[in-house]
Amino acid sequence: TQLLEQSPQFLSIQEGENLTVYCNSSSVFSSLQWYRQEPGEGPVLLVTVVTGGEVKKLKRLTFQFGDARKDSSLHITAAQPGDTGLYLCAGAGAWNDMRFGAGTRLTVKP
Amino acid sequence: NAGVTQTPKFQVLKTGQSMTLQCAQDMNHNSMYWYRQDPGMGLRLIYYSASEGTTDKGEVPNGYNVSRLNKREFSLRLESAAPSQTSVYFCASSQSSGGAFTGELFFGEGSRLTVL
Repeated sequence: TQLLEQSPQFLSIQEGENLTVYCNSSSVFSSLQWYRQEPGEGPVLLVTVVTGGEVKKLKRLTFQFGDARKDSSLHITAAQPGDTGLYLCAGAGAWNDMRFGAGTRLTVKP
Repeated sequence: NAGVTQTPKFQVLKTGQSMTLQCAQDMNHNSMYWYRQDPGMGLRLIYYSASEGTTDKGEVPNGYNVSRLNKREFSLRLESAAPSQTSVYFCASSQSSGGAFTGELFFGEGSRLTVL
């Protein structure tokens, strides 16, 4: 059982659609991060959220940290084929040991 | 701009053989990590080193050992490889800034290991 549960595991949508992916845990985190990974490469950081209830926007991506700091969501507006990839959430443990969820594999079809 | 460098990028081992994955970062980061990535499992933490001179177990440490050789280098050793250790291994580093951890993880390109 992973500390961070991500849903859905797979998502395939058409270009222009909106989507939301979720990251949930029973543990409280001091911060949560979202990464995007493309095939053959390491993950790359998209955003870090620190404060409960925090909302951050990165162009068409909106990230929210739950009030209790146990969950987070990533919303993409008007998805584009370039958004295709594996989206991973990660939480910092007490000793800065970063734990990852299993990821959501997003495919955006033209 | 090398960032995090892992070697080798590919390796095939026979069951019972040993090998060491090397990782070096040139960003003067305090913390370094080793993860493995398997299909449908995301990244699972094997070992991490919060600072030079310290190492701690992560989620899946069995069958692995690590050495934080200096601030730059963090190696992962498989003493007796098993087929279950077939995976893609990622090294990462970060700079924590006290209080809440907000440091970005910088990853290497990964090392693909196959154990026959």
